[in-house]
Amino acid sequence: LAKTTQPISMDSYEGQEVNITCSHNNIATNDYITWYQQFPSQGPRFIIQGYKTKVTNEVASLFIPADRKSSTLSLPRVSLSDTAVYYCLVGDSSASKIIFGSGTRLSIRP
Amino acid sequence: EAEVAQSPRYKITEKSQAVAFWCDPISGHATLYWYRQILGQGPELLVQFQDESVVDDSQLPKDRFSAERLKGVDSTLKIQPAELGDSAMYLCASSPRTSELTIQYFGAGTRLSVL
Repeated sequence: LAKTTQPISMDSYEGQEVNITCSHNNIATNDYITWYQQFPSQGPRFIIQGYKTKVTNEVASLFIPADRKSSTLSLPRVSLSDTAVYYCLVGDSSASKIIFGSGTRLSIRP
Repeated sequence: EAEVAQSPRYKITEKSQAVAFWCDPISGHATLYWYRQILGQGPELLVQFQDESVVDDSQLPKDRFSAERLKGVDSTLKIQPAELGDSAMYLCASSPRTSELTIQYFGAGTRLSVL
């Protein structure tokens, strides 16, 4: 399973756009890139998934370059409620296991 | 919106006692997972079920942990005896399709404290 590397923590301010980059140099051909969000004392919540180029939903955008060795989660106009830990995962969608790293702790300030 | 239900939310026990956690996945989800999350770390998979069968329990400490999903719906995770190092959040998740196992829906978890 491909290993991911992402910053331990990030800080930003309300109303800003936040970009969290994840490195996955050993991504395999069948692997998808998936991002989860976790608030304190809650389980992780699926945010977005992509394979290549750009994916956008009501919550975030996911940018994946052509070589797929990295990806960037973009959160537009963040608010205090976006303070959470964000996990980047890489794996085959039919695989039997997904592996969470330590994630990126995002803190939003007023 | 359908949710994964877990109970209890909190459990305090003494070491060497037995504890059990219950999970009811989203209706129709055939794949069910139990994770353990230590404070400050990401969730770690303990066991995965496909219907009532165990698919992966390679990270489950089988000398003290057991998991079952008898009718392929709800599931129970048991620890006996509990040890101090078992203090953690225990999360249950389910997935709707075997072709999209990277999209999982998590419950709120059970926070276990072993004294």
